[in-house]
Amino acid sequence: EAGVTQFPSHSVIEKGQTVTLRCDPISGHDNLYWYRRVMGKEIKFLLHFVKESKQDESGMPNNRFLAERTGGTYSTLKVQPAELEDSGVYFCASSQVTVDNEQFFGPGTRLTVL
Amino acid sequence: GESVGLHLPTLSVQEGDNSIINCAYSNSASDYFIWYKQESGKGPQFIIDIRSNMDKRQGQRVTVLLNKTVKHLSLQIAATQPGDSAVYFCAESGWGGNQFYFGTGTSLTVIP
Repeated sequence: EAGVTQFPSHSVIEKGQTVTLRCDPISGHDNLYWYRRVMGKEIKFLLHFVKESKQDESGMPNNRFLAERTGGTYSTLKVQPAELEDSGVYFCASSQVTVDNEQFFGPGTRLTVL
Repeated sequence: GESVGLHLPTLSVQEGDNSIINCAYSNSASDYFIWYKQESGKGPQFIIDIRSNMDKRQGQRVTVLLNKTVKHLSLQIAATQPGDSAVYFCAESGWGGNQFYFGTGTSLTVIP
């Protein structure tokens, strides 16, 4: 069974540019999560999809971040315009069940904003 | 907000010794806890979980201990091996919660 995949693995952009990260969850997992780890700090929750609906987006930093999950399959996270403080590793995770269930993580996308 | 932290950011142990990684949390309503292992270039991988109605749970070479009185969680790795070198995160969620709150991570280095 394929795991969670993320693309790209690395992205280097300049401040003010736009970047779109993609996540493909494990097939059949309705729940999809985005997390972010800024250098040396904890992994922080960004948002949670159940199928195509946003269940919880309380962790989204600001309106420069837009997450979508068209058709309830893969998800994209767009940052526009990117700022220096957006640099970090963005993880996607998926799970079958919403509550108290193991979340399977992807390898992450390392975003560097110069 | 939630606060999940670790007592030590780095830990070095000799191969074959036991390792203990600690984690403190602040939300007394936390109901479910997971330890994740993250190797370089990979995402966090599930190691073991425990629910708040338990004090101890054992897996293969790993044991998680939960002390709800002092809101403390620990991960014990028996006979630590070089392949155990990684960053270990504790994560917790409240009852019925869908998001996990992670600690900053402890970097474990196993010395051959």
